[in-house]
Amino acid sequence: AQTVTQSQPEMSVQEAETVTLSCTYDTSESDYYLFWYKQPPSRQMILVIRQEAYKQQNATENRFSVNFQKAAKSFSLKISDSQLGDAAMYFCSLGGNTPLVFGKGTRLSVIA
Amino acid sequence: DGGITQSPKYLFRKEGQNVTLSCEQNLNHDAMYWYRQDPGQGLRLIYYSQIVNDFQKGDIAEGYSVSREKKESFPLTVTSAQKNPTAFYLCASSVWGQGHSPLHFGNGTRLTVT
Repeated sequence: AQTVTQSQPEMSVQEAETVTLSCTYDTSESDYYLFWYKQPPSRQMILVIRQEAYKQQNATENRFSVNFQKAAKSFSLKISDSQLGDAAMYFCSLGGNTPLVFGKGTRLSVIA
Repeated sequence: DGGITQSPKYLFRKEGQNVTLSCEQNLNHDAMYWYRQDPGQGLRLIYYSQIVNDFQKGDIAEGYSVSREKKESFPLTVTSAQKNPTAFYLCASSVWGQGHSPLHFGNGTRLTVT
């Protein structure tokens, strides 16, 4: 079975600072994909970033980047130059031969 | 614009009644999914369908039923057998089934059963 663990229920960051959200996972599959989703107060789920396990290079999307450590089964999300609009729930998820499995989420607050 | 439409946004039912949540997509995606979200629990998979007229149970299928008669539609029925139906329900779709392609989500339906 695939599992995803987010050990930080809540995090906070000052506006313009950098924050890292942690995620670890477990899977027996060799071909899998990792995702970070953002859920703002509107509750709309928004894809933030995607990482293919076979790629060694860490994915980046503007101010969002990941630190993918395959051997450690770790997939952290770094948000640079944090903005008020980054305040949301962030979910780490894992997909392979079965549908996406999600972690319990990290609530990020951004302090002005 | 392509997307996923869930209706209604809020739904209220009395205990013991079945209720059906609607999900329609015009993205031409093959796969569709239903997830349940509870506070502190993340998203849990209820049912998914990779092709018309076929669907599989997820981790928490008990008390729910689905149908997939059309590619665009994947309604979820919450039956009276579901012990704790009050939750936020999210429908999603993806180009391919399984977990290799990202999910596109609807705006969700908040179901309250009293």
